[in-house]
Amino acid sequence: DAGVIQSPRHEVTEMGQEVTLRCKPISGHNSLFWYRQTMMRGLELLIYFNNNVPIDDSGMPEDRFSAKMPNASFSTLKIQPSEPRDSAVYFCASSLAGLAASTDTQYFGPGTRLTVL
Amino acid sequence: QKEVEQDPGPLSVPEGAIVSLNCTYSNSAFQYFMWYRQYSRKGPELLMYTYSSGNKEDGRFTAQVDKSSKYISLFIRDSQPSDSATYLCAMSAELTGGGNKLTFGTGTQLKVEL
Repeated sequence: DAGVIQSPRHEVTEMGQEVTLRCKPISGHNSLFWYRQTMMRGLELLIYFNNNVPIDDSGMPEDRFSAKMPNASFSTLKIQPSEPRDSAVYFCASSLAGLAASTDTQYFGPGTRLTVL
Repeated sequence: QKEVEQDPGPLSVPEGAIVSLNCTYSNSAFQYFMWYRQYSRKGPELLMYTYSSGNKEDGRFTAQVDKSSKYISLFIRDSQPSDSATYLCAMSAELTGGGNKLTFGTGTQLKVEL
């Protein structure tokens, strides 16, 4: 298995531009998570999906951020318009959520390093 | 105050040393405790997982949870240069509806020197 796949790996854009980050979870996993990592705040959960349905988006910083999961094998995180403070590494993770949901291992992708100038 | 506090380091130790990494937390609902390891420019990977209080050993690694003190630790024996990474603690509470929401510490950067 290729693991969680994220694209692009690096993105440099200018303030005000739209940014779309993509994620392909591990086949068969039915929970998907978007995280943001910065030096100051560490790893923060933005949103997570279970069976393609958003369960908790309380971590999404503001209306400029949106996430979708149109099917079990694809998710996007969009920032529109982007701002310099959005610069961070964005990780996607997936897990096989079952009856023992709290113990399921989350497998992380390699991340997308976003720089907004 | 953050739900999970972790000293960011950096922590530098000589090869072969015993390393102690720690986290404190404030949410008494947390029952599942994990340690993730993150190499530079990579995603975090699960290292160890424990449920409730107690110890768990896996090779050179020992995870310890003290729920009464809301304190967890990770010990690394005979540390190796390959252990150089950032170690993140993570915790979750019992959830309904599927999925597991983790709360992470900010991570401790460890360097093991030859």
